[in-house]
Amino acid sequence: AQKVTQAQTEISVVEKEDVTLDCVYETRDTTYYLFWYKQPPSGELVFLIRRNSFDEQNEISGRYSWNFQKSTSSFNFTITASQVVDSAVYFCALSSYNFNKFYFGSGTKLNVKP
Amino acid sequence: SQTIHQWPATLVQPVGSPLSLECTVEGTSNPNLYWYRQAAGRGLQLLFYSVGIGQISSEVPQNLSASRPQDRQFILSSKKLLLSDSGFYLCAWSAFPASVGPDTQYFGPGTRLTVL
Repeated sequence: AQKVTQAQTEISVVEKEDVTLDCVYETRDTTYYLFWYKQPPSGELVFLIRRNSFDEQNEISGRYSWNFQKSTSSFNFTITASQVVDSAVYFCALSSYNFNKFYFGSGTKLNVKP
Repeated sequence: SQTIHQWPATLVQPVGSPLSLECTVEGTSNPNLYWYRQAAGRGLQLLFYSVGIGQISSEVPQNLSASRPQDRQFILSSKKLLLSDSGFYLCAWSAFPASVGPDTQYFGPGTRLTVL
């Protein structure tokens, strides 16, 4: 079964703090892909990153970084020096045996206060 | 570049009325197309996906249906809306075929539907 768990329903931080959003996934497939999306208050989902199961290198993009650990089936997302504009709901997603289907987590709402 | 449009942006409909939501994609050919629903404060539920004209896969049995009359047009319909159909409806597209594995899904701005 394919499943994505985002245990943190809501997180509140003060601007400039670092914050990590957790994502744990379940799949029996050896080939799979993981994604992160941001949903600002406007509602549109914005693609952030795509990572395949054969690439465990961590990735950094500006203030964003992702830590992929197959041993713990986790794909965590860290925002460094958070800003108010980072306030949004963040979704982690998994795609594997049926690549037309994305399995989304329930999302983590991040509130960044000034 | 590719863009995806959805309309209307918001919709308020009475129970039992019909529904038609439209999604169109520009700047790409033969995309995979998807309809998702997001209930208030919840995650995304895949409703339908399509890999080509007239090819629709349904994920959740309900009173909704989808059609793809043209390559880059995807329509979500209902003959009679239920209160439980309220939510935020998102259309997405991805490239087909993807070079390796699934291509990223890109989402439209969404339609907020309220059924009263």
